Amino acid sequence: KAGVTQTPRYLIKTRGQQVTLSCSPISGHRSVSWYQQTPGQGLQFLFEYFSETQRNKGNFPGRFSGRQFSNSRSEMNVSTLELGDSALYLCASSLGPENQPQHFGDGTRLSIL
Amino acid sequence: EDQVTQSPEALRLQEGESSSLNCSYTVSGLRGLFWYRQDPGKGPEFLFTLYSAGEEKEKERLKATLTKKESFLHITAPKPEDSATYLCAVQARYNTDKLIFGTGTRLQVFP
Repeated sequence: KAGVTQTPRYLIKTRGQQVTLSCSPISGHRSVSWYQQTPGQGLQFLFEYFSETQRNKGNFPGRFSGRQFSNSRSEMNVSTLELGDSALYLCASSLGPENQPQHFGDGTRLSIL
Repeated sequence: EDQVTQSPEALRLQEGESSSLNCSYTVSGLRGLFWYRQDPGKGPEFLFTLYSAGEEKEKERLKATLTKKESFLHITAPKPEDSATYLCAVQARYNTDKLIFGTGTRLQVFP
């Protein structure tokens, strides 16, 4: 059974640009969550999607947004990139919002120059 | 405010030297506590879920336990391949959509 797939694995952008990251959940999983991981803050919750609806959002600025498609695949977008957005962005999927555990992909490493 | 604190930040063990990792949590109604293992350049890999005080789970050299305020991950006779960062996370009853993570314990096991 394939795991959570995130693309691309690595991205290098410059300040002010925007970026879109993609996540394909485990087959049959309908809930997708996104996290930002940095050395100082650890994993911070960004948002969670289920049935194409954002159910929950973490404490991040509006530059961070996401969406989910009917096949449960999800994308997240970051606009007007800042140096502090450099991080590992992790996607996790589960059967449903209250069904744990969440299973993680290997992330997208985003570097801002 | 819900939070998770893990200690120590880093731990160096000799192969075969057993030890424990601590996860202290404050949450308004615990629904579940989760342990993950993360290797460099990889995403977290699920290890255990604990739901109630007194519960224990085991997998190979790892055993996780839960009390009302903390969880321990006991590592018995570790091997170099157990080297990784171990993450603890909690899920609150009132907000089941997200996990609240600690910053992890970086474990190094030397032969």
